[in-house]
Amino acid sequence: SQQGEEDPQALSIQEGENATMNCSYKTSINNLQWYRQNSGRGLVHLILIRSNEREKHSGRLRVTLDTSKKSSSLLITASRAADTASYFCATGLSANSKLTFGKGITLSVRP
Amino acid sequence: DGGITQSPKYLFRKEGQNVTLSCEQNLNHDAMYWYRQDPGQGLRLIYYSQIVNDFQKGDIAEGYSVSREKKESFPLTVTSAQKNPTAFYLCASSIVPFNQPQHFGDGTRLSIL
Repeated sequence: SQQGEEDPQALSIQEGENATMNCSYKTSINNLQWYRQNSGRGLVHLILIRSNEREKHSGRLRVTLDTSKKSSSLLITASRAADTASYFCATGLSANSKLTFGKGITLSVRP
Repeated sequence: DGGITQSPKYLFRKEGQNVTLSCEQNLNHDAMYWYRQDPGQGLRLIYYSQIVNDFQKGDIAEGYSVSREKKESFPLTVTSAQKNPTAFYLCASSIVPFNQPQHFGDGTRLSIL
């Protein structure tokens, strides 16, 4: 089974609104990462949060990590049509373990 | 600019044919990976490599083979033993250890003729 599972599977919002996506995982992790994939393209790394961190920011992105609930959230503020993409969380169980990717969330931002 | 180049972008395979997907990186990364992406399935790891002349099977290695003769190159061969090869194939690279951020190519879409 997938280590990281995103929720919801699909999200549709109006431009300017905030988008919140969640990722839950089953076992303790070393770090959790979020990636974006535009249609027909490769994944692009957005942000990495370590297990001893609770929150990180990068531009309009805010990621939180709750290790007690084994969950993470990705918040995109003031969304734009260009944010339309699939978003994946990936977990690394230990320093030398491979990343395990979730199935992704499809975000549509309506102009 | 540094990055990962995958070619071709589209590839068609006939029955009983082996095909090879190319992946080249100029990021000086030690680790390279091959993933398969099917609709609704996320990414599944096929093979990965940490150093030249060494590679390991991932979760779905059956029907695939790889080589790592140069640090920059990690080609994937989809053999005739892979009965359901239609998918989007992504190559990635990273520094080690393996749980570091990965850089991806733009993929090869493989279809059956």
